[in-house]
Amino acid sequence: EAGVVQSPRYKIIEKKQPVAFWCNPISGHNTLYWYLQNLGQGPELLIRYENEEAVDDSQLPKDRFSAERLKGVDSTLKIQPAELGDSAVYLCASSLYGGRNTGELFFGEGSRLTVL
Amino acid sequence: GNSVTQMEGPVTLSEEAFLTINCTYTATGYPSLFWYVQYPGEGLQLLLKATKADDKGSNKGFEATYRKETTSFHLEKGSVQVSDSAVYFCAPLGEDKIIFGKGTRLHILP
Repeated sequence: EAGVVQSPRYKIIEKKQPVAFWCNPISGHNTLYWYLQNLGQGPELLIRYENEEAVDDSQLPKDRFSAERLKGVDSTLKIQPAELGDSAVYLCASSLYGGRNTGELFFGEGSRLTVL
Repeated sequence: GNSVTQMEGPVTLSEEAFLTINCTYTATGYPSLFWYVQYPGEGLQLLLKATKADDKGSNKGFEATYRKETTSFHLEKGSVQVSDSAVYFCAPLGEDKIIFGKGTRLHILP
């Protein structure tokens, strides 16, 4: 069975440019997460979806970040405009949730963003 | 709020050495506790878990015991291998949100 798939793996852009990351979760996983991981740090939650609904986006910087999961499967995370401080790895994860977070997440390999 | 503190790395050991990576947490109630591992070039994956006090999680020779009295969940392995070189994250699940520690990088020398 395929795991969580993310693309692109690497992206280099200049500041003020837009960027988008795509995630395809494990089939049948209702819950999808986007995490931010800075160098030497643990992942920090940006947004969590239950099917199409964003149930926790309290840590998403909404002035420049946006996310969508239109059909409750794939998801896209966008940054516009990107800033130097956005350089990090963006992780997507999915889980079988069903109303209770078990903490058992399946992660993709991440998308490494470098903003010049 | 909930928080987690784990041993800073990098930790460098020789093959077959004993490993301990310390982890303590603060949380309301009794959260489930997890260790995740990130091998070079791979995504994070669940290593082991414990859901209640005194539970011992184990996998791949690693163990961790849920200690309610000390709010700790230290990761141990009796004899490490070169293939255990990775970054290890302690992660309590509290208030329906999992919180990751900063990670401990482990280097095992042959």
